[in-house]
Amino acid sequence: DSGVTQTPKHLITATGQRVTLRCSPRSGDLSVYWYQQSLDQGLQFLIHYYNGEERAKGNILERFSAQQFPDLHSELNLSSLELGDSALYFCASSVGRGRDTDTQYFGPGTRLTVL
Amino acid sequence: AQSVTQPDIHITVSEGASLELRCNYSYGATPYLFWYVQSPGQGLQLLLKYFSGDTLVQGIKGFEAEFKRSQSSFNLRKPSVHWSDAAEYFCAVEGSARQLTFGSGTQLTVLP
Repeated sequence: DSGVTQTPKHLITATGQRVTLRCSPRSGDLSVYWYQQSLDQGLQFLIHYYNGEERAKGNILERFSAQQFPDLHSELNLSSLELGDSALYFCASSVGRGRDTDTQYFGPGTRLTVL
Repeated sequence: AQSVTQPDIHITVSEGASLELRCNYSYGATPYLFWYVQSPGQGLQLLLKYFSGDTLVQGIKGFEAEFKRSQSSFNLRKPSVHWSDAAEYFCAVEGSARQLTFGSGTQLTVLP
């Protein structure tokens, strides 16, 4: 158990809908990262938040957005869902200090199925 | 931009045999390199990381990896594989924005 929690574990929804994935980082971690794992694209970085502020964006679609709240939990919002958005979405957290000591710890993921 | 290549999609070894999983990276500066393992239905677990110093890195579960700058490689090794090591293994390099770029993974099957 990494200490990173993600809810829900599974999510099944229809095309065109909107969903919210939630992540609680390890105690003391200030950085939260979101990744998408799909069969055709592999593991891809989506977005990074540090202490409530966006720090970096990867291959995140405009239909997707994220936030990190004052209590440091994060939410990934996916809207106008398409079949191709079906994937495993991982959250990772790290302390957010120097690179030499920082390590990303991954949650168990949320499996999203769009029908 | 950084990239990671894992040339072997699938590797099969017998229990007790040695293992080497290959990883080649592309990164302009000194790389921060990682190996993660993913069991079915599970998240990614960190096996080991390299950021500087000794080029041979020890990790959990008896794994080690060797950083070779001249070959841009960071291969993962284990002297004796156990059935519980069957999983998918990912090599990753950290970018300047702390994002991880992953390889496509190597699926390991362990025969009894």
